[in-house]
Amino acid sequence: GAVVSQHPSWVICKSGTSVKIECRSLDFQATTMFWYRQFPKQSLMLMATSNEGSKATYEQGVEKDKFLINHASLTLSTLTVTSAHPEDSSFYICSAGLGRPNSPLHFGNGTRLTVT
Amino acid sequence: AQTVTQSQPEMSVQEAETVTLSCTYDTSENNYYLFWYKQPPSRQMILVIRQEAYKQQNATENRFSVNFQKAAKSFSLKISDSQLGDTAMYFCAFMRSTGANSKLTFGKGITLSVRP
Repeated sequence: GAVVSQHPSWVICKSGTSVKIECRSLDFQATTMFWYRQFPKQSLMLMATSNEGSKATYEQGVEKDKFLINHASLTLSTLTVTSAHPEDSSFYICSAGLGRPNSPLHFGNGTRLTVT
Repeated sequence: AQTVTQSQPEMSVQEAETVTLSCTYDTSENNYYLFWYKQPPSRQMILVIRQEAYKQQNATENRFSVNFQKAAKSFSLKISDSQLGDTAMYFCAFMRSTGANSKLTFGKGITLSVRP
């Protein structure tokens, strides 16, 4: 079945530094990947849609300069949290589809980011 | 815009019993897809079941089945013979049918606890 790998699974960084999270589709090509953010016991909030070879589409209220997304290949999208602050601490999850209109999205295992 | 509503924040069920999780949605689309995802404590998102709106027959997957009422915009999940491993957060989600890679819109989720 379709597998999405996300790395790292957890990361601790100091305030002011940047952190990169990778999302890979292991056995399929993903022209589109999605980045979600989730706070404890809450739902997944879509941050942005990552499109291979073009600029990402950000949801309203998400700072594009803060959360940099790069989708340079059909199997890899990266999310970089720049100048991280404690309020950026959260669980970040990526997902990707198989490119068919009715295909369900497959999710990575998520990344727990803690900014100290 | 589409909205997904899960009004019950928590539910509890005795092992081997049956439980129904509620979900309603709002959309002006005629064709779309509905999903239930499970998120156990590991936080991995797992697809439980999906329903295509143009199909009248309710989807079933082993112990999981849905009651899809298109006119009422209702999409409930029934879990039969509940098992301890069913303990998790459950999210109802909506996807438009247009476009090769449509995003998922999630409800707030419900925490299900299965009691031994």
